[in-house]
Amino acid sequence: AQSVAQPEDQVNVAEGNPLTVKCTYSVSGNPYLFWYVQYPNRGLQFLLKYITGDNLVKGSYGFEAEFNKSQTSFHLKKPSALVSDSALYFCAVRSFYNTDKLIFGTGTRLQVFP
Amino acid sequence: GAVVSQHPSRVICKSGTSVKIECRSLDFQATTMFWYRQFPKKSLMLMATSNEGSKATYEQGVEKDKFLINHASLTLSTLTVTSAHPEDSSFYICSARAHGSSYNEQFFGPGTRLTVL
Repeated sequence: AQSVAQPEDQVNVAEGNPLTVKCTYSVSGNPYLFWYVQYPNRGLQFLLKYITGDNLVKGSYGFEAEFNKSQTSFHLKKPSALVSDSALYFCAVRSFYNTDKLIFGTGTRLQVFP
Repeated sequence: GAVVSQHPSRVICKSGTSVKIECRSLDFQATTMFWYRQFPKKSLMLMATSNEGSKATYEQGVEKDKFLINHASLTLSTLTVTSAHPEDSSFYICSARAHGSSYNEQFFGPGTRLTVL
């Protein structure tokens, strides 16, 4: 079965510290992976994607994610967190059987404390 | 670029009435649009995929007669919640995929909060 797991409902980090939001996936074939961020009462904003190539992908707002094929992971990272990064983060993978479809994780709420 | 708008952003209606939500791609042509429903503290649930000029494809468990989707042009899709009931209250989000996109990058609208009294 195809799925995305975000094992942490919430991640708390102090401003200025590095942050990691975890994501693992299960999908047939080569994965197309995405990270989105959602602010309160807003739609999702695209952060970054991995299609092929370099395992370290850089995206918007200083975020990056590392694709690890052996661990089937695509963790989101940022070297220095900002209070304004506090939001809900979703990891997603494109379905192998229906390339129109994105399969989302359950989301991780990131709380950055001043 | 790649802006998707939704209208209205918030709607409150009485039980039994129908509500239409519009999703527009403002600066690109979207051959495919998607409608999601998001419950509190839950992930997005794909409701249906709509392709311009053809019938929408509904996910399992989504009532097509209750959630009517029309994708009349390359920049507009509408979701009509018919005979709305309080359990239909939710946050509805659309997304659009650009024509010619080689991978499934979707651009999301800001969402519509529906409250059914």
